[in-house]
Amino acid sequence: EAGVTQFPSHSVIEKGQTVTLRCDPISGHDNLYWYRRVMGKEIKFLLHFVKESKQDESGMPNNRFLAERTGGTYSTLKVQPAELEDSGVYFCASSQTDRNTEAFFGQGTRLTVV
Amino acid sequence: GQSLEQPSEVTAVEGAIVQINCTYQTSGFYGLSWYQQHDGGAPTFLSYNGLDGLEETGRFSSFLSRSDSYGYLLLQELQMKDSASYFCAVRALDSNYQLIWGAGTKLIIKP
Repeated sequence: EAGVTQFPSHSVIEKGQTVTLRCDPISGHDNLYWYRRVMGKEIKFLLHFVKESKQDESGMPNNRFLAERTGGTYSTLKVQPAELEDSGVYFCASSQTDRNTEAFFGQGTRLTVV
Repeated sequence: GQSLEQPSEVTAVEGAIVQINCTYQTSGFYGLSWYQQHDGGAPTFLSYNGLDGLEETGRFSSFLSRSDSYGYLLLQELQMKDSASYFCAVRALDSNYQLIWGAGTKLIIKP
């Protein structure tokens, strides 16, 4: 069974540019989460999808971040325009239930904004 | 507000036992999870405690005391491959039951 996959693994962009991160969850997992870890700090929750609906987007830092999950399968996270403080590792995770104690993570996308 | 505290780094010797502590402050506590992350890899679920006491999974055990807002991860018979970062994460009412994470503990194992 394929795990959670994220693309790209690394992205270096200039301030002001746009970047789109993609996440393919485990097949059959209705719940999809986005997290971000800034260098050396804690992993922070960004957003939770249940199928194609945004269940909780309280962690999204500002309106430069837009997440979608059309069709309830893969998800994209777009940052437009990117700022220096957006640099970090963006993780996607999926789980079968929304109160599931175990979430399966992708390897993350390392975003560097220069 | 919500907060989790865990040591930033712990060093231990191969074959030994190590305990990584986690204290938390939150409202409407639901459960404490532990994840392992190797450099550049995906966080991987290790264990979950919803009730007080000890949960054992092979060489790894996790403990929770809700009255003390405290938990720990115990790793026994340490192997070099256990060198990684370990994160505690809490699910609570005041975070809409989303995971709130500690900053991670880097475990360094020496031969």
